[in-house]
Amino acid sequence: DVKVTQSSRYLVKRTGEKVFLECVQDMDHENMFWYRQDPGLGLRLIYFSYDVKMKEKGDIPEGYSVSREKKERFSLILESASTNQTSMYLCASSWPTISGEKLFFGSGTQLSVL
Amino acid sequence: AQKITQTQPGMFVQEKEAVTLDCTYDTSDPSYGLFWYKQPSSGEMIFLIYQGSYDQQNATEGRYSLNFQKARKSANLVISASQLGDSAMYFCAMREQGYSSASKIIFGSGTRLSIRP
Repeated sequence: DVKVTQSSRYLVKRTGEKVFLECVQDMDHENMFWYRQDPGLGLRLIYFSYDVKMKEKGDIPEGYSVSREKKERFSLILESASTNQTSMYLCASSWPTISGEKLFFGSGTQLSVL
Repeated sequence: AQKITQTQPGMFVQEKEAVTLDCTYDTSDPSYGLFWYKQPSSGEMIFLIYQGSYDQQNATEGRYSLNFQKARKSANLVISASQLGDSAMYFCAMREQGYSSASKIIFGSGTRLSIRP
């Protein structure tokens, strides 16, 4: 089974701190994604990556950056955390197949910014 | 612009009844894919079903089927014979090509389904 691992389940940070959220997948998937999930808003795409060092902005990239130095690892960086970045963050990876594409999700990181 | 709309924030259904969860989408890409995911209270995201834009037949997976109406840009999920374990949040999602070779996958706001015994 594909495993997508997010380094922390819960994280509490202070306003202004630099925050790193790590995501590792073990199936050699090319595509990786970062979403944030907020009640009533569903999952919103922050950034995605299709190869090492390659990235694209999603729908809400402001205040975030990403890093993909190795294929299996995709990091989300909050340069200066703010309270409105308190949210559940979900990482996912995918591999397109002839029958379609399937996203595999990590268990999420609940980030609280105080 | 690419968009997924789920207009039902919440639904209550009697056990064993069929239920339809609505999803409409907007894209200018002729090649795209549509997904449904289930998120129970545990928080995990469970893949349910996938439909490609060129697929001639509606996708089915066990009790789940996707009612794909391309001209209307709708991709409703139908759950037959609902069970108590179907109570969860359901998300519709769409894949289309990004500016590069990447697939951009976006989600709707979700529908919370509650099954009554």
